[in-house]
Amino acid sequence: SYELTQPPSVSVSPGQTARITCSGDTLSKQYFHWYQQKPGQAPVLLIYRDKERPSGIPERFSGSSSGTTVTLTISGVQAEDEADYYCQSADSGGSSVIFGGGTKLTVL
Amino acid sequence: QVQLVQSGAEVKKPGASMKVSCKASGYIFTGYYIHWVRQAPGQGLEWMGWINPNSGNTNFAQGFQGRVTMTRDTSITTAYMELSSLRSDDTAVYYCARDASNWNYAGVFDYWGQGSLLTVSS
Repeated sequence: SYELTQPPSVSVSPGQTARITCSGDTLSKQYFHWYQQKPGQAPVLLIYRDKERPSGIPERFSGSSSGTTVTLTISGVQAEDEADYYCQSADSGGSSVIFGGGTKLTVL
Repeated sequence: QVQLVQSGAEVKKPGASMKVSCKASGYIFTGYYIHWVRQAPGQGLEWMGWINPNSGNTNFAQGFQGRVTMTRDTSITTAYMELSSLRSDDTAVYYCARDASNWNYAGVFDYWGQGSLLTVSS
């Protein structure tokens, strides 16, 4: 079965750049999306279609893709960015949606 | 503004069924698929399936087929997810989420409900 692999944790100091990767185990033409989830809250869509940012999401959040790996980049990390981050993809036919295991971002 | 408001927490015994509601407002209910996603305590997100509120068509993740039912009532813009034969490992927060694509399927979720906690315990 198709899997998305994320590092369990990433740590960064305030003001630095955090990069969270998401790797698929097959070449895929589906889009990838990213969500932020803070404790006790529902996920929030951060990036869709690999690199698009919904309205209201700060510009410091960006997405990129290369081969079978997509990357969420958070520039100038702030304390409020401490959260869990999930990548997600879906087949175009609507039969399958998959999430990565999540990455806990710690702001030191 | 778009809102998805879910029903409250429930405690069920193993073998029972549960039904969660998701009341949508602020947009055309029939124009956007509703997905259900769950999250066990301390764990990641798990997609369960979707319902097309316009047609009532559904699609479920393989692990839930035969145990999950998704319905909707367009008159009150509410989607429902029912899970039967509950087990202790069904203990989780259950979320409804709106598909971002208008009148189509995109498999990306732009609005989420607040979540409904289900505890399965004898």
